[in-house]
Amino acid sequence: AQTVTQSQPEMSVQEAETVTLSCTYDTSENNYYLFWYKQPPSRQMILVIRQEAYKQQNATENRFSVNFQKAAKSFSLKISDSQLGDTAMYFCAFMKFPGRETSYDKVIFGPGTSLSVIP
Amino acid sequence: DSGVTQTPKHLITATGQRVTLRCSPRSGDLSVYWYQQSLDQGLQFLIQYYNGEERAKGNILERFSAQQFPDLHSELNLSSLELGDSALYFCASSPAAGGTDTQYFGPGTRLTVL
Repeated sequence: AQTVTQSQPEMSVQEAETVTLSCTYDTSENNYYLFWYKQPPSRQMILVIRQEAYKQQNATENRFSVNFQKAAKSFSLKISDSQLGDTAMYFCAFMKFPGRETSYDKVIFGPGTSLSVIP
Repeated sequence: DSGVTQTPKHLITATGQRVTLRCSPRSGDLSVYWYQQSLDQGLQFLIQYYNGEERAKGNILERFSAQQFPDLHSELNLSSLELGDSALYFCASSPAAGGTDTQYFGPGTRLTVL
């Protein structure tokens, strides 16, 4: 079974600084997807960034980038130039690439990291 | 705005009662997923429907049931409610059942059982 671990329950960062959130996962699959979701105080779940395991290039979305280390099963999120609006819970998530026997997109979430951006 | 809508936003009820949560997926999406987020359990996958049929089942209790209607909206029914059922219930949708689509989450329904 797949598991997702986020070892940092809480983190804080000064506004305009850079912060990195850690995520590790365990799977025997070779093809899969990894995601970072953001859950601000409004409780809405927002997709931040997505990485396909077959791609060696790390995904980037504006101030958000990932460091994907497939062999180490590590998927960290770097937030540059942190803004007050980045304050949220961040979830790392794993989705197995569907095969012939499996045709569902169940997503496995980590426990989350609460990030506070300090003015 | 993800395009996924959920109603109601908040629900307060008593133990032993039954409630129904509603989800409308993004236009064109055929799959609907239900998740429960609680403080102690984190985010848990409950069930998935694709084009009206149950596709996958996760940690859904027998007291809970769901269905997806011909217009593709979905309802999650929670019965014999217990205090521990208090949680945020998310619905998500994606275009297909077995593709490479990201799931898009609705805003959630906050259920409080007193």
